[in-house]
Amino acid sequence: QVQLQESGPGLVKPSQPLSLTCTVSGGSINSGLYYWSWVRQPAGKGLEWIGRIYTRGSTNYNPSLKSRVTISLDTSKNQFSLKLSSVTAADTAVYYCARDEGDLLILDYWGQGTPVTVSS
Amino acid sequence: QSALTQPASVSGSPGQSITISCSGTSSDVGAYKYVSWYQQHPGKAPKVMIYEVSNRPSGVSNRFSGSKSGNTASLTITGLQAEDEADYYCSSYTTSSTRVFGTGTKVTVL
Repeated sequence: QVQLQESGPGLVKPSQPLSLTCTVSGGSINSGLYYWSWVRQPAGKGLEWIGRIYTRGSTNYNPSLKSRVTISLDTSKNQFSLKLSSVTAADTAVYYCARDEGDLLILDYWGQGTPVTVSS
Repeated sequence: QSALTQPASVSGSPGQSITISCSGTSSDVGAYKYVSWYQQHPGKAPKVMIYEVSNRPSGVSNRFSGSKSGNTASLTITGLQAEDEADYYCSSYTTSSTRVFGTGTKVTVL
């Protein structure tokens, strides 16, 4: 059974970078069949897709966040990471990592989510 | 990219059927079969209920069904049950190789 777990600071100061890591267990992040995605959800609001990375390293990002987002892989640790630069209060949200099944294009496994607050 | 448009709320009595619409464009919903639906209970991660417009993952009740016509997709829940009360989001792959979610619909079981 694949499991994903987000980790990282719960509080980030405005204008600083937000960095989160997703640790994958129960399967290899290097399998070649999947993309690895980040999704966020401000309190009381809807889901927003941030971006994804393929096993071979190619990435796709939400155009509205593209200038500030970097998603990377660490296959040695079976992890992938999100970096969002120059954060503001609008980036306060619960951040989820998820597995994106490559053929069906569905987010089939999700982490539990980690809340991040941007505040001084 | 703009979020797909869903009604903010839909309600129904136990046993009834409800339908949630998801309106997009020819660059997302209308472009591919890759429309999926997610159920989210409060404080929980979303769970996929429908993929490729109308397919159900193993373990999802056959009370859930999906369809698409042009740029609009729909999720229908038949035999509404108390456990179906949740938020529902549609999602589509786009012609820019990105993903977009719907605005979300709160389903209330009266």
